[in-house]
Amino acid sequence: EVQLLESGGALVQPGGSLRLSCAASGFTFSTSAMNWVRQAPGKGLEWVSVIYSGGRTTFFADSVQGRFTLSRDDSKNTLYLQMNSLRAEDTAIYYCAKDGYGGNGLYYFDYWGQGTLVTVSS
Amino acid sequence: EIAMTQSPATLSVSPGERATLSCRASQSVSSNLAWYQQKPGQAPRLLIYGASTRATGIPARFSGSGSGTEFTLTISSLQSEDFAVYYCQQYYNWLTFGGGTKVELK
Repeated sequence: EVQLLESGGALVQPGGSLRLSCAASGFTFSTSAMNWVRQAPGKGLEWVSVIYSGGRTTFFADSVQGRFTLSRDDSKNTLYLQMNSLRAEDTAIYYCAKDGYGGNGLYYFDYWGQGTLVTVSS
Repeated sequence: EIAMTQSPATLSVSPGERATLSCRASQSVSSNLAWYQQKPGQAPRLLIYGASTRATGIPARFSGSGSGTEFTLTISSLQSEDFAVYYCQQYYNWLTFGGGTKVELK
């Protein structure tokens, strides 16, 4: 059974930093592209970032480009999202999502975690 | 950026009725279109990819159609567990989601 378990969400002040983690199991993590998708309270879904298999290629939404970084540790089957210079508009539930097609590219998401809440407020 | 527009915003349906949800892209996305279902307090669940292919375990009452800029998700006979918000997502050029359609009890 595929499982994705996010952690690290918290209340943080504007300008602060936070690192989210996503622990994966039930599939071959190392060959899968992995994504973060967020959802502001009461709003729709917004794709945030992707990391391809191998970990050398990442892409980000314009809204977080230059502030967020994404990495993976295939030995631990874990994905990490480092969020810096946080703003109020980054407040959202952050979902870890597995790419449904393969290890490289931007496609659809066949498995999602339950999400972790990030609140940016003073 | 390709914009995705879903209509209607809210759809009121009785159990057993047919529900038809629309998704329009601002430019052609070919068949690179997925549909998700999200219930309150839960993560989204993949229903359809490739515009018309049901994901693993998705009941046959869910069907997707369309290509280019116009897409439809049809729920042939609505069950109580189908009341939820539905999102479309294009993956032709980067990734963008529609604003969602809430299917509620009439």
